[in-house]
Amino acid sequence: AQKITQTQPGMFVQEKEAVTLDCTYDTSDPSYGLFWYKQPSSGEMIFLIYQGSYDQQNATEGRYSLNFQKARKSANLVISASQLGDSAMYFCAMREGQIQGGSEKLVFGKGTKLTVNP
Amino acid sequence: GAVVSQHPSRVICKSGTSVKIECRSLDFQATTMFWYRQFPKQSLMLMATSNEGSKATYEQGVEKDKFLINHASLTLSTLTVTSAHPEDSSFYICSARGLAGVIEQYFGPGTRLTVT
Repeated sequence: AQKITQTQPGMFVQEKEAVTLDCTYDTSDPSYGLFWYKQPSSGEMIFLIYQGSYDQQNATEGRYSLNFQKARKSANLVISASQLGDSAMYFCAMREGQIQGGSEKLVFGKGTKLTVNP
Repeated sequence: GAVVSQHPSRVICKSGTSVKIECRSLDFQATTMFWYRQFPKQSLMLMATSNEGSKATYEQGVEKDKFLINHASLTLSTLTVTSAHPEDSSFYICSARGLAGVIEQYFGPGTRLTVT
């Protein structure tokens, strides 16, 4: 079974509008971390945002916020005020176990290609 | 911020030859580095976890004799693809984590390998 599921192969959004990229995960470990990375066409992976399983509040980083619904095992990325430069692949990833001493392996979803239209 | 470099960024080699890819952490010491491969329009798949001074831990299905990983120092890990075949053509990305208290992994810019 897939540990990270991103059901949207592609998404389109108008410039300056908000967009939500979906991510659901599967784990039986009570300690885990969820990440979102952006991969432009150049290939590098850019870290966007992190949510720990015990974090009480949803993570936010500038225009990025993570809608964390633990009971539903979802960690959707919300990008507000989309910009043309946001066009890229977006990957959701999970690391299981404690931050210290746990597994450091990241498992990635298949990604969502976001296109921002002018 | 933390910077990870990879060299080369692109390499073309002939089938049967070996190619080495370097991954360096430029401004921090990386006790652990990770090697991923990514086929076109697909996700990143972890190949192996590399710890400084010890043998790499390979993921299931990854041939350790074909993909040789060396992590000889806290700032350098290398991946050598031995006896490369066209099916080894892929995008190889490394990442590093070493900063105390830092959660995320920092990724290198990737190396595109083409085997002809």
